[in-house]
Amino acid sequence: DSGVTQTPKHLITATGQRVTLRCSPRSGDLSVYWYQQSLDQGLQFLIQYYNGEERAKGNILERFSAQQFPDLHSELNLSSLELGDSALYFCASSGDLSYNEQFFGPGTRLTVL
Amino acid sequence: KNEVEQSPQNLTAQEGEFITINCSYSVGISALHWLQQHPGGGIVSLFMLSSGKKKHGRLIATINIQEKHSSLHITASHPRDSAVYICAVRPARNDYKLSFGAGTTVTVRA
Repeated sequence: DSGVTQTPKHLITATGQRVTLRCSPRSGDLSVYWYQQSLDQGLQFLIQYYNGEERAKGNILERFSAQQFPDLHSELNLSSLELGDSALYFCASSGDLSYNEQFFGPGTRLTVL
Repeated sequence: KNEVEQSPQNLTAQEGEFITINCSYSVGISALHWLQQHPGGGIVSLFMLSSGKKKHGRLIATINIQEKHSSLHITASHPRDSAVYICAVRPARNDYKLSFGAGTTVTVRA
């Protein structure tokens, strides 16, 4: 158990819908990272937050947004969902601003029908 | 072309065999990570390297910065080592982003 929790574990929804994925980092970790893992693209970095502020953006679509709250949990919002958004979404946390070691959550499997 | 290339794509070994997975990258980096993803999907960070060699149990990771190459070795492999091993680099030009390899699927047969 990495100490990082993600909810829900599985999510099935329809095209055009909006969903919210939630991540709670390890106790004391200030950095949260979101990743997408799809069958055709592999793992891709989406976005990083540090202590409530956005620090880095990767291949995140405009239909996706994220935020980190004062209690350090983070949410990834996916809207106007398309079939191609079906993937595993991972959250990871680390204690500082850099990537010294990241602890991954179990992931949320999103299926868009 | 992907910044990070792994080989082989798939690997099958008999229990007890020595396994090597290779990772080559095309950009200057500040660090390289090896990750393990089990069949259930969970990801575990194995190593972070910026130079030299690290060892943890039966796993050894090495990196050659000049040659832009890293290897992950598994000694005395066991069926529980069956997983996907993923190499990821932190490009020096953009320290916050990780670029991932496609992964190597390792199957160890008893």
